[in-house]
Amino acid sequence: DQQVKQNSPSLSVQEGRISILNCDYTNSMFDYFLWYKKYPAEGPTFLISISSIKDKNEDGRFTVFLNKSAKHLSLHIVPSQPGDSAVYFCAARGSGGSNYKLTFGKGTLLTVNP
Amino acid sequence: DAGVIQSPRHEVTEMGQEVTLRCKPISGHNSLFWYRQTMMRGLELLIYFNNNVPIDDSGMPEDRFSAKMPNASFSTLKIQPSEPRDSAVYFCASSFSDYYEQYFGPGTRLTVT
Repeated sequence: DQQVKQNSPSLSVQEGRISILNCDYTNSMFDYFLWYKKYPAEGPTFLISISSIKDKNEDGRFTVFLNKSAKHLSLHIVPSQPGDSAVYFCAARGSGGSNYKLTFGKGTLLTVNP
Repeated sequence: DAGVIQSPRHEVTEMGQEVTLRCKPISGHNSLFWYRQTMMRGLELLIYFNNNVPIDDSGMPEDRFSAKMPNASFSTLKIQPSEPRDSAVYFCASSFSDYYEQYFGPGTRLTVT
């Protein structure tokens, strides 16, 4: 039973346009969400995060939106660049004693075409 | 600064052999994680250490898997005996504390034939 779902295995966009990656979760105990980016033959690298007390967090070209009522978050990349081509993982974390535990989605492969 | 270091990067072994994967976390980080990535199950947490002590090993699939952290700068994940279904990419990650973002190593791609 997947608690974090990324329903689009892949996404292709043109350079300069907006990329929107989506993520849904089922566990209402999750209170912190993260996006990781992964290039081939490398480990995932942390990109941006958001706490459940916020609905938006922005860092340069990257913005994460959280809709708690819908249990949905999205990552916006504007403008998209060819170097953004990678697999993006959504991850969620609960509070309390298990706040170390990240539950990951299966990832979305983003391809940004020049 | 050096990131998380894992060795070997690739390992090919025959079924029944012992496999040992190694990890050096980032200096100063007191939390260490071992993950496994497969196509079917994605990224799964196998075991979590805090201050060298195993806190949560509920993700370790079977008794064939064991992990140790003898000191703050070294951890091993051992599979004995290995089976073809253990073929996956194994990542080690570390963090400043369990609440901070985790930094991943490059992974070890294990193939068991």
